[in-house]
Amino acid sequence: DAGVIQSPRHEVTEMGQEVTLRCKPISGHNSLFWYRQTMMRGLELLIYFNNNVPIDDSGMPEDRFSAKMPNASFSTLKIQPSEPRDSAVYFCASRLEYYNSPLHFGNGTRLTVT
Amino acid sequence: DQQVKQNSPSLSVQEGRISILNCDYTNSMFDYFLWYKKYPAEGPTFLISISSIKDKNEDGRFTVFLNKSAKHLSLHIVPSQPGDSAVYFCAASGGGSYIPTFGRGTSLIVHP
Repeated sequence: DAGVIQSPRHEVTEMGQEVTLRCKPISGHNSLFWYRQTMMRGLELLIYFNNNVPIDDSGMPEDRFSAKMPNASFSTLKIQPSEPRDSAVYFCASRLEYYNSPLHFGNGTRLTVT
Repeated sequence: DQQVKQNSPSLSVQEGRISILNCDYTNSMFDYFLWYKKYPAEGPTFLISISSIKDKNEDGRFTVFLNKSAKHLSLHIVPSQPGDSAVYFCAASGGGSYIPTFGRGTSLIVHP
C-alpha cells in the first residue's frame, strides 16, 4: 500500500500563474477529499468526490479554484489565477466509503504564491 | 464559524506525564469524533475515534473521553513520550454527513 500520493511536494509560483496540484488515492478507495491547511482556519474541506463524482464543493473559495477526478486513480486541484492568499498546504485524502471510516491523507503540497 | 474548536494552540508536557488535549464542538448533530496526529511535512494520520453512544474509548496509551452534555471531548496520552510530539487535530461528523469537520489543531511538545 503506497498510500495517497501528492505532487508536487512544494510549489512556488508568481501571482497570476496557473497552479495544478495532483493526487493519486489509495487503490480501492472510492472517496477523495481536498483539504487546505492554514494557520487561521486549520484544516478546511474544499471539495469531496464519491465514485469520481463531485458531491460537495461548497468549500471551494471561489471560481479561481476547480477540481476534477477523471478516473478512480487521479484527481487534480487547479488554481487559476493564483493569488498570495492561496498560499497554504493542500492535502488530498481518500477512504473506502463506509460509515465513519477514517481518512488517509497524503503528505501535502506546500504552495507559495509570491 | 468554527464548529470544532481546539482553544489551546500548544501544550508542553514532561516525558512520562499525562498529556490532555481538549476539543469543543457546537453542532449538536455531531455523533462521531476522531483524533488525528500530524508530524511536520507529513499528512495527518488517524489515531483514535469515539461514537456518541460511548463516553470513553481506549487504545494503549491513548484514551478519548466524550462529554455530550458539555459538547466536549479530550484526548489523554499516558505516559507521554517524546515521539508523541506532533500536532493533534480533533474532528467530528454527524447529522447524516460522514465528512469530518476539523479543528485548528494543538501542537504538543513532550520534553525528555
